[in-house]
Amino acid sequence: AQSVSQHNHHVILSEAASLELGCNYSYGGTVNLFWYVQYPGQHLQLLLKYFSGDPLVKGIKGFEAEFIKSKFSFNLRKPSVQWSDTAEYFCAVISGSARQLTFGSGTQLTVLP
Amino acid sequence: KAGVTQTPRYLIKTRGQQVTLSCSPISGHRSVSWYQQTPGQGLQFLFEYFSETQRNKGNFPGRFSGRQFSNSRSEMNVSTLELGDSALYLCASSDTGGGANVLTFGAGSRLTVL
Repeated sequence: AQSVSQHNHHVILSEAASLELGCNYSYGGTVNLFWYVQYPGQHLQLLLKYFSGDPLVKGIKGFEAEFIKSKFSFNLRKPSVQWSDTAEYFCAVISGSARQLTFGSGTQLTVLP
Repeated sequence: KAGVTQTPRYLIKTRGQQVTLSCSPISGHRSVSWYQQTPGQGLQFLFEYFSETQRNKGNFPGRFSGRQFSNSRSEMNVSTLELGDSALYLCASSDTGGGANVLTFGAGSRLTVL
């Protein structure tokens, strides 16, 4: 069964700091990977996705993620965070012929102005 | 294009009651998935429907059920409510479901069980 681990439960940064959120999955076959974001009071929105090709994917609002197959990782990065990035971030994976998206436990990011 | 619409947005029930939640997917989307979100368990998959058929089911008791109508709208039902059923129930739609499709989520229905 597929599973996703997000090791950082709560990250606190100051504005302009760099961000990296960890995500590891457990499945040895083909995977599609996603990062979703949930801003306070809003619904889950897609930040970026990886299906195939270039392992470095760029998403909205300056976010990017790198798929490293050998490490089963899909870490999210942003060079300079803003206060408006305060939100909960979820990594998710769908593997093989599975039809269900499996989410990590989420990382709450707080950006201090 | 309208997004995924869930109703009601908030509701309060008491233990033992039942509840029905509704989801209208994005126009043209035929796959509807349901998730339960709680602070302790995170986002957990309930079930997925495609063309009125349940294609996949998560690890939830039989009290949780769902259905999909010919217009792709979906409902989920929880019977004999327990305190632990208090959660945000999220609906998501996609074109055909499966790995190559991106889920678009609704705002959710927040259920409180007293």
